[in-house]
Amino acid sequence: QSALTQPASVSGSPGQSVTISCTGTSSDVGSYELVSWYQQHPGKVPKLIIYDVIQRPSGVSNRFSGSKSGNTASLTISGLQAEDEADYYCCSFAGSRILWVFGGGTMLTVL
Amino acid sequence: EVQLVESGGRLVKTGESLRLSCATSGFTFGDYTINWVRQAPGKGLEWVSSIGSGSSYIYYADSVRGRFTVSRDNAKNSLYLQMNSLRAEDTAIYYCARDGTFTGVTAFDFWGQGTLVTVSS
Repeated sequence: QSALTQPASVSGSPGQSVTISCTGTSSDVGSYELVSWYQQHPGKVPKLIIYDVIQRPSGVSNRFSGSKSGNTASLTISGLQAEDEADYYCCSFAGSRILWVFGGGTMLTVL
Repeated sequence: EVQLVESGGRLVKTGESLRLSCATSGFTFGDYTINWVRQAPGKGLEWVSSIGSGSSYIYYADSVRGRFTVSRDNAKNSLYLQMNSLRAEDTAIYYCARDGTFTGVTAFDFWGQGTLVTVSS
């Protein structure tokens, strides 16, 4: 099972919006509404910010939103803030043998 | 407060074995699927293994199948990962992460702080 494809890096200025894509296949992203996104600051533990494609856990800012179309999921961060600078990983359920597959990660830089 | 605390990581030589542990508290351990996820230095996250609430199902990534064995002791609220025939490419921080499906969150909702495994010849 190959990793999901994410851009290596994205950037934006404070107050702007950025979107991070996550492309899989019809065996993972395209087949299940089970895409999640994780934020990881340097040296820190990953934090869940989106699950079930569009859901936000309690306490996560509504500036984070998720979507999916076909085999590609997306994370949009609106009203960029300096604290959003981090690595972002997507993850999808992938079926009954290889349960989960992660994307390679995207480094977000707030200019 | 939900807590997961990994231990057991250290420097080992290629081909050796190691057992990681994950002690949990703050939730009913036996209700949840628990996972191992690893992160090589400077690299991305990689799912390693999942074990169902009553050990009813167990899954492994292709990269570790046949070498790693996951187990759990619900009476001790603990998860384990027996790693055999270790390779340099197994060098990583190993996280245990809860699957929150029991509470409606089908994702890794809580993570431990990780334990570092270094495999060197």
